[in-house]
Amino acid sequence: GQQVMQIPQYQHVQEGEDFTTYCNSSTTLSNIQWYKQRPGGHPVFLIQLVKSGEVKKQKRLTFQFGEAKKNSSLHITATQTTDVGTYFCAGRETSGSRLTFGEGTQLTVNP
Amino acid sequence: DTAVSQTPKYLVTQMGNDKSIKCEQNLGHDTMYWYKQDSKKFLKIMFSYNNKELIINETVPNRFSPKSPDKAHLNLHINSLELGDSAVYFCASSWQWASSYEQYFGPGTRLTVT
Repeated sequence: GQQVMQIPQYQHVQEGEDFTTYCNSSTTLSNIQWYKQRPGGHPVFLIQLVKSGEVKKQKRLTFQFGEAKKNSSLHITATQTTDVGTYFCAGRETSGSRLTFGEGTQLTVNP
Repeated sequence: DTAVSQTPKYLVTQMGNDKSIKCEQNLGHDTMYWYKQDSKKFLKIMFSYNNKELIINETVPNRFSPKSPDKAHLNLHINSLELGDSAVYFCASSWQWASSYEQYFGPGTRLTVT
């Protein structure tokens, strides 16, 4: 079955440093979604990427979808303490299939 | 108004007991889900219902039984609770199953089995 792998599992950064989490799928994806879960909270949808090579930005967050649609990344520029949380990618193999979540990357930001 | 709500928020119980978690969404979505999140934060899909019909049933013990009385509600009943059932259980919903719509998660129910 489809597998979505995410690295790293944990990342500790100093406030102001950049952060990147990577997501890799064993199969080609029709789309990929990213979610953020604050400590003690629930996953909240951030963005969806659909097109090969797509890049989307949300303020300090940059999301990329690979050319082969098998990998994706989330990059945060100049992290802030409000960025703390677990970031999940979730990929869908075909338009009618289930959404498979990666294992998540837990980000800690030291002030 | 809360979009996806779950009750209870916390549940502490002893091994062998039976418990239920309720979920309601007021978004008009067709599809609802139950996820289990363990201590390592892994999110694992358990069940999914589309218009009250079961469409995903992952390798979950028979002790777990979902019920969807209508498309706005998806409840989870757990029989003979075990220590390994301790986790946070999230309910979620989305507009449709076969689509690219995002999922909206409830606040979670932290289940502790002692």
